[in-house]
Amino acid sequence: SQQGEEDPQALSIQEGENATMNCSYKTSINNLQWYRQNSGRGLVHLILIRSNEREKHSGRLRVTLDTSKKSSSLLITASRAADTASYFCATPKGTGRRALTFGSGTRLQVQP
Amino acid sequence: NAGVTQTPKFQVLKTGQSMTLQCAQDMNHEYMSWYRQDPGMGLRLIHYSVGAGITDQGEVPNGYNVSRSTTEDFPLRLLSAAPSQTSVYFCASSPRTSGEYNEQFFGPGTRLTVL
Repeated sequence: SQQGEEDPQALSIQEGENATMNCSYKTSINNLQWYRQNSGRGLVHLILIRSNEREKHSGRLRVTLDTSKKSSSLLITASRAADTASYFCATPKGTGRRALTFGSGTRLQVQP
Repeated sequence: NAGVTQTPKFQVLKTGQSMTLQCAQDMNHEYMSWYRQDPGMGLRLIHYSVGAGITDQGEVPNGYNVSRSTTEDFPLRLLSAAPSQTSVYFCASSPRTSGEYNEQFFGPGTRLTVL
């Protein structure tokens, strides 16, 4: 099973609304990352939060991390049609944690 | 910088054929990885490399080989293509940072269909 699991699997909102996506993971981590994937394209890194951080902001993005619950959330405020994409959380894995394990993603649709 | 480049963009193979997916990066990144993404799914790690001459298996390595003779290149070889290998393949790279795992930079992907 995936190390990271996002929910909801799909989310449809109106422009201007906030979008919240959640991610749960199973093993201990030193950081958690969020990526965006536009349809038919590669993934783009959005934000990284370290295990000793509880909240991080980047523009309209807000990420929280609760290591006791092994969960993270991504909040996109004042959403735009251009935010329509799939969003994935990812945690390090492999020897020395050099690669990533991805969840199955949340498909966000922002209606104009 | 071109970043991470992948060729070809699209490929159709017949069952049993072999081929190599190319991946190159010009950012002098030490770490490189290959993932596959099936429809509606997240990415699954196939193989990864922490430097030239060093590779390791990921979650789904069967049917694939890799080698890393240079820092820049990390080709993925399909030995005998099967329909189950129909997928989109992404290559990624990451710089080495002391004591911290950093973000990955992804290529645009190769869409492979095996008939």
